[in-house]
Amino acid sequence: EDQVTQSPEALRLQEGESSSLNCSYTVSGLRGLFWYRQDPGKGPEFLFTLYSAGEEKEKERLKATLTKKESFLHITAPKPEDSATYLCAVKKVGSNYQLIWGAGTKLIIKP
Amino acid sequence: DTGVSQDPRHKITKRGQNVTFRCDPISEHNRLYWYRQTLGQGPEFLTYFQNEAQLEKSRLLSDRFSAERPKGSFSTLEIQRTEQGDSAMYLCASSVSSGGGDEQYFGPGTRLTVT
Repeated sequence: EDQVTQSPEALRLQEGESSSLNCSYTVSGLRGLFWYRQDPGKGPEFLFTLYSAGEEKEKERLKATLTKKESFLHITAPKPEDSATYLCAVKKVGSNYQLIWGAGTKLIIKP
Repeated sequence: DTGVSQDPRHKITKRGQNVTFRCDPISEHNRLYWYRQTLGQGPEFLTYFQNEAQLEKSRLLSDRFSAERPKGSFSTLEIQRTEQGDSAMYLCASSVSSGGGDEQYFGPGTRLTVT
């Protein structure tokens, strides 16, 4: 069964304390993996697309990496404004549009 | 540069009433999606349009839900005879079909509360 699992469910860090969020997936073939940020009461905001194992993308304090079974979202020296829920979604080969979503990781950065 | 917009942002209705939500996608985007999201979960796919054609509708979606996208521009999602279980955030997203990732861009959502 196609599945996307994110861990941990929630993560509390001190400002400046670097860490990683995990997105593991089981699909028959990966067409793309997407990371989104979602603030409370708002729609998800697109961050990155990764297509193949070994690929990396960076934006400010965030870096996303991809292997054949999982993706990591590394956050370096986070600030309180990085607090949000981070969602991962996968599009599989043969799917024209549909995404398989994880439940998200709620990240809280304490000043 | 305007993103995806949704209206209203919040809707409170009584059980049994009908509600309609509107979504205006990014202007050059030909694909439009509706999702439902509840607390602590990722978005749940409802339906998908390419231009004005509704190409897919979730099997989980009851007949009380209907969506339209006249002329391939804005879209509406109607829920008839609302139930308390319909309370959720309703999200609209749009994308442009291309050889790339077809990234979906989301609107701010409509929060529905059924009392």
